[in-house]
Amino acid sequence: RKEVEQDPGPFNVPEGATVAFNCTYSNSASQSFFWYRQDCRKEPKLLMSVYSSGNEDGRFTAQLNRASQYISLLIRDSKLSDSATYLCVVNFPSGSGNTGKLIFGQGTTLQVKP
Amino acid sequence: DTGVSQNPRHKITKRGQNVTFRCDPISEHNRLYWYRQTLGQGPEFLTYFQNEAQLEKSRLLSDRFSAERPKGSFSTLEIQRTEQGDSAMYLCASSSKRGGFSYNEQFFGPGTRLTVL
Repeated sequence: RKEVEQDPGPFNVPEGATVAFNCTYSNSASQSFFWYRQDCRKEPKLLMSVYSSGNEDGRFTAQLNRASQYISLLIRDSKLSDSATYLCVVNFPSGSGNTGKLIFGQGTTLQVKP
Repeated sequence: DTGVSQNPRHKITKRGQNVTFRCDPISEHNRLYWYRQTLGQGPEFLTYFQNEAQLEKSRLLSDRFSAERPKGSFSTLEIQRTEQGDSAMYLCASSSKRGGFSYNEQFFGPGTRLTVL
C-alpha cells in the first residue's frame, strides 16, 4: 500500500463546477496534513493546512477524518486559474519524536475548461 | 527575492559523471530538505537537515548520493556515477518555526532538472 494515495485523475470540469479530491494515508501516527498546489513545470506551493475540525479558505474546503485516515479537498466555483496538480501531503513522524518528513501523494490533476 | 534558490536550474550530463547541486534556503530557515520528483509523481523525500545536522535519510538514497550543509546555511547534493534512472527534478525546500509557521510548512525552490544521457 502506498503511504499516501490519490486518484491521479485528470479531472476535467467546466468553469463554475464544484470538484472534490480525496486522499488516504497509511501512518496512523501522522499529525500534520496539507494540500499543496503544483503548476506545470513549477515547484509545489502550500495551498492550505488541514485541521481535524475542517477548515475553509475562500472557495477551498479541506477536511480530515482521522478514523478513516482520509483527507479531502473541495473546490467550489472552479476558475480557469485553478487548473493545476493538487498534492496531498502527510507528515510521517520519526521514532525519535522529530516532526519528521513529509510524504507526498502522486497528485491529482485538475483541468478547468471554459 | 528572498525565496529558496537552486543552482543550476538545468543540468545535462553523461552517464557515469558526477554532478553537484546547490540550494540556498530562505534566510534563517534552520531546516532544509531535498526531494526528487519524476514525471507524473509527487516529490519523493530524500533527506533533511536541521542546521548542519543531517537528521534523516531516505532508504532510497543510495551510496552514490550525498548531501551536506556544512555551515547550516546552503546545502549541496552530490550524485556520483550518475545513471539514467537519476534523471529527475531535484527540489529543495526549507522551513522554520519562526513567525508562527510549523516545520511542516515547507517552501520550495524552483528545482534543478537533471538529465542523464
